[in-house]
Amino acid sequence: GENVEQHPSTLSVQEGDSAVIKCTYSDSASNYFPWYKQELGKGPQLIIDIRSNVGEKKDQRIAVTLNKTAKHFSLHITETQPEDSAVYFCAASRASGGSYIPTFGRGTSLIVHP
Amino acid sequence: DTAVSQTPKYLVTQMGNDKSIKCEQNLGHDTMYWYKQDSKKFLKIMFSYNNKELIINETVPNRFSPKSPDKAHLNLHINSLELGDSAVYFCASSPGSGYTQYFGPGTRLTVL
Repeated sequence: GENVEQHPSTLSVQEGDSAVIKCTYSDSASNYFPWYKQELGKGPQLIIDIRSNVGEKKDQRIAVTLNKTAKHFSLHITETQPEDSAVYFCAASRASGGSYIPTFGRGTSLIVHP
Repeated sequence: DTAVSQTPKYLVTQMGNDKSIKCEQNLGHDTMYWYKQDSKKFLKIMFSYNNKELIINETVPNRFSPKSPDKAHLNLHINSLELGDSAVYFCASSPGSGYTQYFGPGTRLTVL
């Protein structure tokens, strides 16, 4: 089955700095890679995603890059703000029976100090 | 105008009991899921239903039985609760052929 490694497990930055979270996956059949933000006491919320036919995608301060050959993808957050503090999860997904089944990384706790 | 809702938010019960968690989505999605998030925040899919039919059952003990009375609801019934079942359970939904999953707020289950 799919295995997703996520690093670092904890990331502490100063407000205004950039933050980078990296993930690797093992199953070459995975073709959809979402990133989720989970705030304390809430469910995960999709913040950005990328499909395997695209190398990079950007949405304001957030960008994701994908290297299919190396089987790794990364989340980049620029100009971090205290409200970016949360746990971030990457996932690698493959199609199965009409839906997409994700395997999640173990999460990165991002702390942005004001 | 909650998109994916779950009840209850907290559930505390004794070992051996049977309990249910309810999930409803008002997004018109065809596919619904149940996830388990353990104490170390690891998030793992348990079940996936598409149009009320079970698609995925990811190595979950048969004490867990999902039931989908209609496309908008996916309930999770757990028999003979064990200490290791303590976790946060999330329901999610997605369009039938879409990628994005929308998660509910979670149900924190504590088995004593």
